[in-house]
Amino acid sequence: GDSVTQMEGPVTLSEEAFLTINCTYTATGYPSLFWYVQYPGEGLQLLLKATKADDKGSNKGFEATYRKETTSFHLEKGSVQVSDSAVYFCALSLGGYKYIFGTGTRLKVLA
Amino acid sequence: ETGVTQTPRHLVMGMTNKKSLKCEQHLGHNAMYWYKQSAKKPLELMFVYSLEERVENNSVPSRFSPECPNSSHLFLHLHTLQPEDSALYLCASSQEGSGTQYFGPGTRLLVL
Repeated sequence: GDSVTQMEGPVTLSEEAFLTINCTYTATGYPSLFWYVQYPGEGLQLLLKATKADDKGSNKGFEATYRKETTSFHLEKGSVQVSDSAVYFCALSLGGYKYIFGTGTRLKVLA
Repeated sequence: ETGVTQTPRHLVMGMTNKKSLKCEQHLGHNAMYWYKQSAKKPLELMFVYSLEERVENNSVPSRFSPECPNSSHLFLHLHTLQPEDSALYLCASSQEGSGTQYFGPGTRLLVL
């Protein structure tokens, strides 16, 4: 069946370190791919998205590239800040109302 | 108000109580969703409404009863809940075909 797999957390980094959070997916069709972020006490916010192969989504210094050949959508940021500490969710949509989310990866950034 | 709002933000209830969660979206979307978020588990889609018609119900126990009176409002009526129902309940909305969901801040529910 369709699924999203994210790396287990927590991921702990020092400020200004490079971030990668891995995400791979299994889907029968051609999904759109998303990264959402959840700050403490809040709901999920869309961080970035890509709708077709080789598209790169970017926002607030975060980037992810839709890799069809490896069925991946890894999240990267060149220099993290303490304010980036949150839980990050990878998700896919196959159209209609079907959305599948990963389990989330908690990021802690230390000053 | 903009975006998706949810009330209350926190709720404590006994197993015999009846309560309701409210969600309102100010984005002009035509689809609304209820999700359950529990620790260390993926988001669980509970209900989907499109143009006020329920289009999906993922085997949710009958102690959860949704209501969508119009395209901007969504309720989740709760009765005789169990302690394992304690979780963060998230509402979301989307415009059909856009692929992007917008979430509210959630209601943190504790069932005693």
